Amino acid sequence: EAEVAQSPRYKITEKSQAVAFWCDPISGHATLYWYRQILGQGPELLVQFQDESVVDDSQLPKDRFSAERLKGVDSTLKIQPAELGDSAMYLCASSLETEAFFGQGTRLTVV
Amino acid sequence: GENVEQHPSTLSVQEGDSAVIKCTYSDSASNYFPWYKQELGKRPQLIIDIRSNVGEKKDQRIAVTLNKTAKHFSLHITETQPEDSAVYFCAAPWIGGGADGLTFGKGTHLIIQP
Repeated sequence: EAEVAQSPRYKITEKSQAVAFWCDPISGHATLYWYRQILGQGPELLVQFQDESVVDDSQLPKDRFSAERLKGVDSTLKIQPAELGDSAMYLCASSLETEAFFGQGTRLTVV
Repeated sequence: GENVEQHPSTLSVQEGDSAVIKCTYSDSASNYFPWYKQELGKRPQLIIDIRSNVGEKKDQRIAVTLNKTAKHFSLHITETQPEDSAVYFCAAPWIGGGADGLTFGKGTHLIIQP
């Protein structure tokens, strides 16, 4: 069964450092999402891509976060500089029509 | 944007009893309402969804109802089993924003008591 791949699974970084997460969606899925999930809360949408174009980044803290999907396939989410409050699970999801399939996520801890 | 409210935050039921989780949404243009189950340390997984052209959908022990006029939808789990213990999230897309990314509720921690 096809899955959304994410790496790394876990990342520990010091505050003020840069960190990057990678996502490879299910083949053929044009829509890709990055979500942030703080422990005990629901996922929060950060950015949505349709192919290589950003269609919604209204919740992305653009002073420190950036996301790209240059060839419309895999995607990278970057944080620079990381802050303590960025500690969370970063989930990538992809969809063909409406159902969003989630990856395993990257657990980020900022120390 | 879309505002999704979910209640209760914690629900404890005896094994074999029914569980009901309720959500409200704000975007009247929303047309798709999924429910996700997330077990500890795992990814959210879709368990059932409903579109705005139907009022109810069932899949074995799980059902979802939708009231578009009142802008609320509910998850019903009957004959609960220990493996139903998890956090459940409702979600709705923000169509009014021009995209369709999901806004999630805060989650309901369902505890099945043996």
